[in-house]
Amino acid sequence: GAGVSQSPSNKVTEKGKDVELRCDPISGHTALYWYRQRLGQGLEFLIYFQGNSAPDKSGLPSDRFSAERTGESVSTLTIQRTQQEDSAVYLCASSGRGGYGYTFGSGTRLTVV
Amino acid sequence: ELKVEQNPLFLSMQEGKNYTIYCNYSTTSDRLYWYRQDPGKSLESLFVLLSNGAVKQEGRLMASLDTKARLSTLHITAAVHDLSATYFCAPSLRSYQLTFGKGTKLSVIP
Repeated sequence: GAGVSQSPSNKVTEKGKDVELRCDPISGHTALYWYRQRLGQGLEFLIYFQGNSAPDKSGLPSDRFSAERTGESVSTLTIQRTQQEDSAVYLCASSGRGGYGYTFGSGTRLTVV
Repeated sequence: ELKVEQNPLFLSMQEGKNYTIYCNYSTTSDRLYWYRQDPGKSLESLFVLLSNGAVKQEGRLMASLDTKARLSTLHITAAVHDLSATYFCAPSLRSYQLTFGKGTKLSVIP
């Protein structure tokens, strides 16, 4: 597609529920990244996928967080048993080889009540 | 661990004035990005700086990189209201993972 697409754009969930966030990268981009942005803060790296290589999960804050990507296409970020501190905007980005065209999506604003 | 410090964190400037935002980072990085973020919006890429001494300009914004000093600057010339936004610098650490500063919230006032 023309840009990085994320869905849903907004999600309100009850504490303890699981949520799935979706990212559709730019066509042809081999790398995909997930970041989290808390209110008024910079972005925190969560996870990085590059082609078929093992993902770099070093930024995932707890084992309640997981992400999958099928080949070089769509990725889903799953948060299990959500907590209030998970409330944030979750941003996905994709890039081509060498980090070319590193582009962010519009994000999913997650609110845990 | 790569640490990034931006300053100032808040900047209120008058239209027509010049100012510089500074971005210091703690370890070697192979590239550095500058992004703009408007309230409630995603990040818009402004510049990618790839080598020591790199300078890029777009309109009233100019970014530079000194890898030896681990310093990047974003210079604003003759500010206008439309430049009001939050600006982030983000050097990369391994495999293009970006480490973001806390951002500089810029307000340009008449």
